[in-house]
Amino acid sequence: AQSVTQLGSHVSVSEGALVLLRCNYSSSVPPYLFWYVQYPNQGLQLLLKYTSAATLVKGINGFEAEFKKSETSFHLTKPSAHMSDAAEYFCAVSDSGSARQLTFGSGTQLTVLP
Amino acid sequence: EAGVTQSPTHLIKTRGQQATLRCSPISGHTSVYWYQQALGLGLQFLLWYDEGEERNRGNFPPRFSGRQFPNYSSELNVNALELEDSALYLCASSPIGGGATDTQYFGPGTRLTVL
Repeated sequence: AQSVTQLGSHVSVSEGALVLLRCNYSSSVPPYLFWYVQYPNQGLQLLLKYTSAATLVKGINGFEAEFKKSETSFHLTKPSAHMSDAAEYFCAVSDSGSARQLTFGSGTQLTVLP
Repeated sequence: EAGVTQSPTHLIKTRGQQATLRCSPISGHTSVYWYQQALGLGLQFLLWYDEGEERNRGNFPPRFSGRQFPNYSSELNVNALELEDSALYLCASSPIGGGATDTQYFGPGTRLTVL
């Protein structure tokens, strides 16, 4: 079974500082990986996804993530945090077979301090 | 382009009652997914419908059921409600002919509260 682990349920950064949100996956087959963001009282919005085309994936709002097979990681980064980045972030893995379900990590709440 | 819509926004029921939640996918999308986001349990996959058929089911009891209509909208029914069913229920859709790499586009959710 595929799974993802997000290290750190809460991360605080200062405005302008580097954002690093960690995600490690477990999969017996090449995974498809996603990062979603959830703002308060809203649904999930896709930030970026890895589908094996390129290991460095650029997403919306200045976010990017690098797929590292040797480390089984897919960490999300942004060079400079904005106040508007405060939200909950979810890493997810897609079943590469016919099941099509997303398995989510437990989420990381990002706080941006002024 | 309109996104995924869900109704109602909030739903309050009592234990033992039935709840019906509705979802309209993005125009042109044929697959609809349901997820439960419960406090302390995170986001869990419930159901996947495509072309009117249930294609996959998560680890939930049979009292969670649903259907997909010819216009691809979907309904989630929860029978014999229990207190632990209180959660945000999220619906997502993905395009025709999609595969495992397809993006699932999420709606704003229905907040179900069971008293």
